[in-house]
Amino acid sequence: GIQVEQSPPDLILQEGANSTLRCNFSDSVNNLQWFHQNPWGQLINLFYIPSGTKQNGRLSATTVATERYSLLYISSSQTTDSGVYFCATLTGTASKLTFGTGTRLQVTL
Amino acid sequence: EAGVAQSPRYKIIEKRQSVAFWCNPISGHATLYWYQQILGQGPKLLIQFQNNGVVDDSQLPKDRFSAERLKGVDSTLKIQPAKLEDSAVYLCASGGAGETQYFGPGTRLLVL
Repeated sequence: GIQVEQSPPDLILQEGANSTLRCNFSDSVNNLQWFHQNPWGQLINLFYIPSGTKQNGRLSATTVATERYSLLYISSSQTTDSGVYFCATLTGTASKLTFGTGTRLQVTL
Repeated sequence: EAGVAQSPRYKIIEKRQSVAFWCNPISGHATLYWYQQILGQGPKLLIQFQNNGVVDDSQLPKDRFSAERLKGVDSTLKIQPAKLEDSAVYLCASGGAGETQYFGPGTRLLVL
């Protein structure tokens, strides 16, 4: 099956800093989604982005499907951005999400 | 619009006992998913329903896990008997016409 690797595995930022999270996938995908799992465990959709670039406030994401990677940019980080960020892919005709290994982000004051 | 509802939020049982989780998807969503998330890992799909039919249950341990989605709306996931390694968060998600999945708050299960 498809392998989805994320980097870095852990990241500590001071409030206000910017960061880039990376997601590499081993095969062609139909789409890619980014999720934020908050410290209480709730998974929140951030982006549905099979290709190209999208922006939502301080967050933006870019997927380059031909090169099998996606990037999530967080600008002017806030403590509420803390949690785990997952990318997840859909392959083939199924709608089965394969989740990446996750990046655990901690934003400090 | 109301999100995906799950209950209970927390459950502690002893090994070999049985447990059931309930999920109510977003209204109108035909597809419902159950995921298992072990601490430190990403969610893993256990079973996917399209309306009340099973689309994918290839990673469901069928000797102890069962799931149903009567009438194509609510769903229950059951574990019988539970093992220590079943300790995890069980997440329910639903999806509509697009392929974005929306997740519920999860049920945290601890098996002692």
